Amino acid sequence: NAGVTQTPKFQVLKTGQSMTLQCAQDMNHEYMSWYRQDPGMGLRLIHYSVGAGITDQGEVPNGYNVSRSTTEDFPLRLLSAAPSQTSVYFCASSYDREDGYTFGSGTRLTVV
Amino acid sequence: AQSVTQLGSHVSVSEGALVLLRCNYSSSVPPYLFWYVQYPNQGLQLLLKYTSAATLVKGINGFEAEFKKSETSFHLTKPSAHMSDAAEYFCAVSESNTGKLIFGQGTTLQVKP
Repeated sequence: NAGVTQTPKFQVLKTGQSMTLQCAQDMNHEYMSWYRQDPGMGLRLIHYSVGAGITDQGEVPNGYNVSRSTTEDFPLRLLSAAPSQTSVYFCASSYDREDGYTFGSGTRLTVV
Repeated sequence: AQSVTQLGSHVSVSEGALVLLRCNYSSSVPPYLFWYVQYPNQGLQLLLKYTSAATLVKGINGFEAEFKKSETSFHLTKPSAHMSDAAEYFCAVSESNTGKLIFGQGTTLQVKP
């Protein structure tokens, strides 16, 4: 199993550009989440999904969209990048709520 | 909504000393609790989890945590710190009704020789 795969690992965007961060898992996990990590703020939940076709907002959803058309994939879209979205983004997946999430290696995004 | 508070953003110990990282949670129902470790420039790795079985949970790398319902705590301990334990540690709670995983703000562990 590859686990949770995130692409790209690094990205630089200009303010106003849009892009999609990719996340794929091959463990047949129903639960998937996106987090952003900023110094001193821990990991903050952006969006999450409990299965294909079901998504919901987390703590900091503004400026981000998600969809879950398959069990395996959970892409995160930045609609119009802003410098405040400079962060490290992590995707994670889990079999169920008591199993613990498996994390990807992260995407480091810089918006200039 | 459930939440997690980690007391102390930085903890410094000498090699061989006891490691104690504190975590308190708020939950109206029995929670699922987790500790994760993050080494520099890496993703998060699950250390251990509490899912209402034994209150003393053993994890990887010699770490363990004790669930205390009366204190709403889930502190992480290791009897003897090693230099390789230097990392950031996160406590997290899984919301019982949604499955969302909510993190504390993290504690950076420094191990001095």
